[in-house]
Amino acid sequence: QVQLVQSGAEVKKPGSSLQVSCKASGGPFRNFGFSWVRQAPGQGLEWMGGIFPMFGSAIYAQKFQGRITITADESSNTVYLQLSGLRSEDTAVYFCAREPDPKHDDYYMDVWGGGTTVTVSS
Amino acid sequence: EIVLTQSPDTLSLSPGERGTLSCRASQFVSSRFLAWYQQKPGQSPRLLISGTSVRATGIPDRFSGSGSGTDFTLTISRLEPEDFAVYYCQQYYNPPRTFGQGTKVEIK
Repeated sequence: QVQLVQSGAEVKKPGSSLQVSCKASGGPFRNFGFSWVRQAPGQGLEWMGGIFPMFGSAIYAQKFQGRITITADESSNTVYLQLSGLRSEDTAVYFCAREPDPKHDDYYMDVWGGGTTVTVSS
Repeated sequence: EIVLTQSPDTLSLSPGERGTLSCRASQFVSSRFLAWYQQKPGQSPRLLISGTSVRATGIPDRFSGSGSGTDFTLTISRLEPEDFAVYYCQQYYNPPRTFGQGTKVEIK
């Protein structure tokens, strides 16, 4: 059974950088895509970007361009989210999610991680 | 970017009633590329439906999806107590992937 295990909660200062990890277990890694989705307190879901490890390149939402990097390490079946220039508005729960078949444009999210709570505060 | 607008924001229903949730897109979305998720407080979202109408593994058949073009619907035929939650639609037809703002289904 596929599981996505995320790193633990973080408290960050404004202007600092964040790295969140997402380790996939229980299934092949490189055949799937992975996205990062965040949810601010009391708000809806916001897609940040995604990566298809087989191809290596990531795609990002325009809103985060310039301060987001998503990478994948096939040796450890882990996907990473880096976000720089943190501000209070980045306080949110960050989810990773698997996309089952990027080769056929199936970018719905069938498995989700448990979420990582990030608080940005001085 | 394709904007998804869900209605209503809140749906107040009793167990056993039928729930109809709407998702309207700002431009055409191929029906192959529309999904629905359920989220309960403190939990991660859960995939209910992909491709407008294909139920995910383990999703009961009281959940059904329909629609085309710019108008999509999630129907819950008879609400069970565990169905009270927030529901999101998502399009993956054009990047960036986008979500609707959510519909909360609450107990009346």
